[in-house]
Amino acid sequence: KNQVEQSPQSLIILEGKNCTLQCNYTVSPFSNLRWYKQDTGRGPVSLTIMTFSENTKSNGRYTATLDADTKQSSLHITASQLSDSASYICVVSASRDTDKLIFGTGTRLQVFP
Amino acid sequence: DGGITQSPKYLFRKEGQNVTLSCEQNLNHDAMYWYRQDPGQGLRLIYYSQIVNDFQKGDIAEGYSVSREKKESFPLTVTSAQKNPTAFYLCASSGTGQEKLFFGSGTQLSVL
Repeated sequence: KNQVEQSPQSLIILEGKNCTLQCNYTVSPFSNLRWYKQDTGRGPVSLTIMTFSENTKSNGRYTATLDADTKQSSLHITASQLSDSASYICVVSASRDTDKLIFGTGTRLQVFP
Repeated sequence: DGGITQSPKYLFRKEGQNVTLSCEQNLNHDAMYWYRQDPGQGLRLIYYSQIVNDFQKGDIAEGYSVSREKKESFPLTVTSAQKNPTAFYLCASSGTGQEKLFFGSGTQLSVL
């Protein structure tokens, strides 16, 4: 069964600190892995998209890594800001078609001053 | 200002009533999607459309209906057959290559 599991479920950090969110997947065939940021009551916004051949991708203070052998990805947030408080969703595509996306349940991050 | 517009932001449904959620995009995208988001669960695909006048069922289509009469518009109707409609509904679109999905700001549907 195609699944995407994220950990931790929730995380609290202080402003300025770094953190790492984890994503494990059992999706086959694998096409790409995406990370989205979702503010409360809003739609998700794309942070990164990585294909099989990419193992690192950055978007400002966000850096995603992908290990296709172990089927694991991580999202590292550097020097956190209050505006980073959101849910972060890992999404794996089982093909080139968007209708084959498998969504994780997300990690809820709270950044406190 | 390009993007996807969903309306209304909040919607209440009475028992036995059909309600329609609006989704409009000005990104000139061919493909549009409807997802349902419940607390503690990943997004689930309800319906999708890759071209005007054509659409396919997703994983949880029962109790929902859609239409795609115009490229820009993909309304979702939650029918009385959907017994548990309370959820956050997200509309999305994607262009060629389908690699990047753009989401609207969502509609929270609740039952009175």
